Amino acid sequence: DTGVSQNPRHKITKRGQNVTFRCDPISEHNRLYWYRQTLGQGPEFLTYFQNEAQLEKSRLLSDRFSAERPKGSFSTLEIQRTEQGDSAMYLCASSFPGAHNEQFFGPGTRLTVL
Amino acid sequence: RKEVEQDPGPFNVPEGATVAFNCTYSNSASQSFFWYRQDCRKEPKLLMSVYSSGNEDGRFTAQLNRASQYISLLIRDSKLSDSATYLCVRGGADGLTFGKGTHLIIQP
Repeated sequence: DTGVSQNPRHKITKRGQNVTFRCDPISEHNRLYWYRQTLGQGPEFLTYFQNEAQLEKSRLLSDRFSAERPKGSFSTLEIQRTEQGDSAMYLCASSFPGAHNEQFFGPGTRLTVL
Repeated sequence: RKEVEQDPGPFNVPEGATVAFNCTYSNSASQSFFWYRQDCRKEPKLLMSVYSSGNEDGRFTAQLNRASQYISLLIRDSKLSDSATYLCVRGGADGLTFGKGTHLIIQP
C-alpha cells in the first residue's frame, strides 16, 4: 500500500496522560499536514511541514501539542496532559508542493480521552 | 464569518436525480478549491479540483464563480454509492480550509 498510513488507528487514554501518533506520508511527497476533526465538523488544520521544517502552526495547536518530522519522512504528533476536549480524529495528509495543494489523507487516529 | 460555508443538509435525493451543492468562501485571494468526499468514519478523499473554467468528471461537474465567491458541485444521475458527506475546500499556502460538509443521502 503506497498511501498515507497512520498509527495507531485508535487510542483510548485517561485524562492527563501523554499520547503520540505517527504518520507515514506517500514517499514522494515532501509536504505533510496534520488536521483534527470532530463530529459534524470538517477537518481543522493544525500544522504542516515541508521536508523537516515546520512552516505553519494553527492557533488550535496549544502548548500541549507538538509535532516533529525529524528526517523529512514520517511525522509524530504528541499531545501532553490530554484533556477530554482533545478527543477527536487526528488526520494526516501529504502532498507535493504546488499551487493546487491536492492532499491525500491517511485513515486517521481516533483519540478518546476518558 | 467562517472562511468556507456550506449547507450541512442532509439532502435526501431519489436515485437517478440531479443534485447540486453550493459553497461560499470569504477570502477573495483564495487561489485553489476542491471538493472532497468523506464517507462515515473514513478519511476525506479528493473528488475533484475546481478550476475557474469549471471542470467535469463523468457525472460530476464543479464550477467556480470568483465574482460571487462561490463554488458548486453538480451530481447527475445520482447513485446509491454517492451517499456521503461532500466537503468544500479552499487551498492556500498553509494548507486546506474545509467547510463543515454537506451530507447527501441517495434514496432507492
